[in-house]
Amino acid sequence: IVLTQSPATLSLSPGERATLSCRASQSVGSFLAWYQQKPGQVPRLLIYHASTRATGIPDRFSGSGSGTDFTLTITSLEPEDSAVYYCQERSKRLFGGGSKVEIK
Amino acid sequence: QVQLVESGGGLVKPGGSLRLSCSVSRFIFSDYYMAWIRQAPGKGLEWVSMISSSGDTLYYTDSVRGRFTISRDNMEKSMSLQMNSLRAEDTALYYCARGNGFGGNEYFDYWGQGIQVTVSS
Repeated sequence: IVLTQSPATLSLSPGERATLSCRASQSVGSFLAWYQQKPGQVPRLLIYHASTRATGIPDRFSGSGSGTDFTLTITSLEPEDSAVYYCQERSKRLFGGGSKVEIK
Repeated sequence: QVQLVESGGGLVKPGGSLRLSCSVSRFIFSDYYMAWIRQAPGKGLEWVSMISSSGDTLYYTDSVRGRFTISRDNMEKSMSLQMNSLRAEDTALYYCARGNGFGGNEYFDYWGQGIQVTVSS
């Protein structure tokens, strides 16, 4: 299984919506997670089972998709959302290459 | 608050060995799969190894199988990664992480701060 994330980098203004994609080379069902890693920080689990927010994650973060195509949406971006976002499938524990979100 | 603390990193020559440890607190260690995940400088995340809650099932990524050995001590609430025959490409920040899933199909819900491993002559 290979996870391909796009875009590599996204540059948006505060208040805008970010849409990140993760495509799997074969179906992973709904077993996909999203992580956020801010500069110099430890990765944090955001979303699991494709659409379930982890504890304490704001509702501006949402996940969708199943099979091979998944999306992480961040509505109304805030400056602290500047980070790299990774997807991960759980059967082989594989990570995607990451998408960087920059806030203008 | 769940805590995971790594130790044992450092600088080692190619072909050398290093043992990483992860001590945990504030959760029932024996209930969870545990994993090592690494991040090379400026690169993404790479899952390295995982161990079942009882310690009887071990998982490795292909690039470390045969060189790294994962283990755990549920009484001591700790996990280790013995790394032998180290290569320059093993240079990375190594994270200890708690699995949250079922039967080896895991997400990782808590992470340590990471420990640096540098392989260089």
